[in-house]
Amino acid sequence: ETGVTQTPRHLVMGMTNKKSLKCEQHLGHNAMYWYKQSAKKPLELMFVYNFKEQTENNSVPSRFSPECPNSSHLFLHLHTLQPEDSALYLCASSQGSSDGYTFGSGTRLTVV
Amino acid sequence: QKEVEQDPGPLSVPEGAIVSLNCTYSNSAFQYFMWYRQYSRKGPELLMYTYSSGNKEDGRFTAQVDKSSKYISLFIRDSQPSDSATYLCAMGAAGNKLTFGGGTRVLVKP
Repeated sequence: ETGVTQTPRHLVMGMTNKKSLKCEQHLGHNAMYWYKQSAKKPLELMFVYNFKEQTENNSVPSRFSPECPNSSHLFLHLHTLQPEDSALYLCASSQGSSDGYTFGSGTRLTVV
Repeated sequence: QKEVEQDPGPLSVPEGAIVSLNCTYSNSAFQYFMWYRQYSRKGPELLMYTYSSGNKEDGRFTAQVDKSSKYISLFIRDSQPSDSATYLCAMGAAGNKLTFGGGTRVLVKP
């Protein structure tokens, strides 16, 4: 596999469920990102990891919990979400902060 | 005022026409500029990356940056139905994360 892989592609969860999104990059990049993309809104940066250390948390509610066990893997743990959290969640990676980002195909999340 | 402004469209053009897209920005610290293309149900993919004012050409795509006016453009020549997508501009300052525009939806009609 090449590039950035996200699983699952689609997820429907109830407000009381706990689930996790997974991202894996095979590019040897040092930085990884979680973005939220809602309809008719710009991409919203959620978290940034550099060399598996979190360097930015963009005032994200605590019901979203990221985990970066190594430079190639990134998780987003979800619990007690709200319907307004329904969106496309995109993972991206880059070699450095000034380089172009490579995005995964995203996880389409629906909270019911 | 948003840091990056981009008209959401949709921009509808006939096949073969030139597509003209642009973004304006307010942060004079931005030094590098990118354009991404996003197809439906896919993540954005990097199309063009520029680091200075002027033009950069790659096949049918031309990116222009005017730092004095804080204005960037993307032109697509000989547009094809396969160019129908959402185009996002992105920009950043050295060592900092990217700031994205909201995207412009483009429809190229056969």
